[in-house]
Amino acid sequence: DSGVTQTPKHLITATGQRVTLRCSPRSGDLSVYWYQQSLDQGLQFLIQYYNGEERAKGNILERFSAQQFPDLHSELNLSSLELGDSALYFCASSLEGEANTEAFFGQGTRLTVV
Amino acid sequence: AQSVAQPEDQVNVAEGNPLTVKCTYSVSGNPYLFWYVQYPNRGLQFLLKYITGDNLVKGSYGFEAEFNKSQTSFHLKKPSALVSDSALYFCAVSGRRGSARQLTFGSGTQLTVLP
Repeated sequence: DSGVTQTPKHLITATGQRVTLRCSPRSGDLSVYWYQQSLDQGLQFLIQYYNGEERAKGNILERFSAQQFPDLHSELNLSSLELGDSALYFCASSLEGEANTEAFFGQGTRLTVV
Repeated sequence: AQSVAQPEDQVNVAEGNPLTVKCTYSVSGNPYLFWYVQYPNRGLQFLLKYITGDNLVKGSYGFEAEFNKSQTSFHLKKPSALVSDSALYFCAVSGRRGSARQLTFGSGTQLTVLP
């Protein structure tokens, strides 16, 4: 168990809808990352937060947004969902969010858009 | 832009034999290199990393990796494979400055250890 908790584990929703994925980082970790894993795109970095502030942005669509709250949990909001958004979404956390430190991953949320 | 190549989608090895999972990278400057493993329906688990120093890095579960700067490679190795090592393995790289500090993952290599 990595100590990173993601909810829900599975989500099925219709096109055009909006969903929120939740992540609780490991105790003491200040940085949270979101990744998308799909068969065609592989593992793609979406966004990173550090202590409530956005630190880095990757291949995140404008329909997607995220935030990190004062208690350090994070939410990833996906809106106007399309079939192609179906994927496994991972949250990871690390202590300081520096490039030389390993991140610890949650078990992921499997999103299916129908 | 930085990138990682894992040239083999699938590696099969007999239990007890040595295993190698290949990884090459491209990044500006000196890299930070990582290996992660993913078991079915699980998140990625950290195995080992290279930051600086000794080119041979030892990690969890008996795995090790060798950093080769001239060949820009970071191959994962284990002297004696176990059936329980069967999983999806990801190599990742990050640079040391600016936007390059984000982890870029390879496409993954499915390792199957045959009993």
